[in-house]
Amino acid sequence: GQNIDQPTEMTATEGAIVQINCTYQTSGFNGLFWYQQHAGEAPTFLSYNVLDGLEEKGRFSSFLSRSKGYSYLLLKELQMKDSASYLCAVEDGKLIFGQGTELSVKP
Amino acid sequence: DAEITQSPRHKITETGRQVTLACHQTWNHNNMFWYRQDLGHGLRLIHYSYGVQDTNKGEVSDGYSVSRSNTEDLPLTLESAASSQTSVYFCASSQGRMNTEAFFGQGTRLTVV
Repeated sequence: GQNIDQPTEMTATEGAIVQINCTYQTSGFNGLFWYQQHAGEAPTFLSYNVLDGLEEKGRFSSFLSRSKGYSYLLLKELQMKDSASYLCAVEDGKLIFGQGTELSVKP
Repeated sequence: DAEITQSPRHKITETGRQVTLACHQTWNHNNMFWYRQDLGHGLRLIHYSYGVQDTNKGEVSDGYSVSRSNTEDLPLTLESAASSQTSVYFCASSQGRMNTEAFFGQGTRLTVV
């Protein structure tokens, strides 16, 4: 079966750093994607990892450990506009999503 | 600019009616996907296609069907709408079979009354 877990909600302060974790157990794995989704909008691509290690993209970084079935998304220098849902997805020819983490950034 | 569009953006229908949601992409992508999004469940895959005449069932395919007669379109049909199918539906497309970014449409909010 497919099982992808992430926390339902997180709260952080503007200017801080937050880490959103994702664990997965899936029958297939080509890579792991992170998407951002603002309320009422479509998901948009943030990052993806194929190999173990850290991928950095400006204020956003994503880490993958395939042996542990684990990934995280790190957001630095949080801004109010980062308040959104963050979706972890395993790709095996199609994207299988976790339930998403609702991040609230407070002043 | 290439894009992916869904129509209608909002629809209200009655239980038992057949409903078709349209998805059209101009990226010339091979792969197209339909998801539904409900509170507490995230995005769940309904059907997907890797090319013309190819369709596959996802994890929540019961009560839905798709057909792929050309590269650009993957319409989603609800054969007999049920209140449990009230949801936000997203269409997406991507090019390759591995590790390629998927682009999402703006979504269709469907209410079945």
